[in-house]
Amino acid sequence: EDQVTQSPEALRLQEGESSSLNCSYTVSGLRGLFWYRQDPGKGPEFLFTLYSAGEEKEKERLKATLTKKESFLHITAPKPEDSATYLCGGKLIFGQGTELSVKP
Amino acid sequence: SQTIHQWPATLVQPVGSPLSLECTVEGTSNPNLYWYRQAAGRGLQLLFYSVGIGQISSEVPQNLSASRPQDRQFILSSKKLLLSDSGFYLCAWNNDFFGPGTRLTVL
Repeated sequence: EDQVTQSPEALRLQEGESSSLNCSYTVSGLRGLFWYRQDPGKGPEFLFTLYSAGEEKEKERLKATLTKKESFLHITAPKPEDSATYLCGGKLIFGQGTELSVKP
Repeated sequence: SQTIHQWPATLVQPVGSPLSLECTVEGTSNPNLYWYRQAAGRGLQLLFYSVGIGQISSEVPQNLSASRPQDRQFILSSKKLLLSDSGFYLCAWNNDFFGPGTRLTVL
């Protein structure tokens, strides 16, 4: 059965405290692993698509990496404006998200 | 640039009533369009996707249906709403771009 699991469910960081979010997947025929940011009451905002193991992509303080079984979203020196729920998944199935809160 | 419109933004409907949610896309042609639902405490669930006019694929059995009467229009419908249909409904284009969503509450 296809499955995407994100951990932790919630993460609280101090401003400047770097950390990583995990996305584990067992999806047959996965064509791209997507990462999104979602603010409360809004639609998800596209961040990255990763297609092959070893691939990395960066955007400002965010860096996404991909292995054969999981993906990580690394957040370096986060700021309060990075607070949001981060979703990962393929086109057909997504995880429940990690709710990130960054305190000043 | 591409824009996705969804309406209404919020909707409160009684159980057993019909539903029609509309999604329109601007700035692109022949887009792949998707309907997702996000229930409280759960992740995104793909409901339907469409690769063209009149072409609808359903991912989960349910009392919802979808139609694509025009290239840039995608409609989600139900004849009789259930309590479990409550959630945040999102239309997406090619998985790169999501609309603002419709918050549906079924009472």
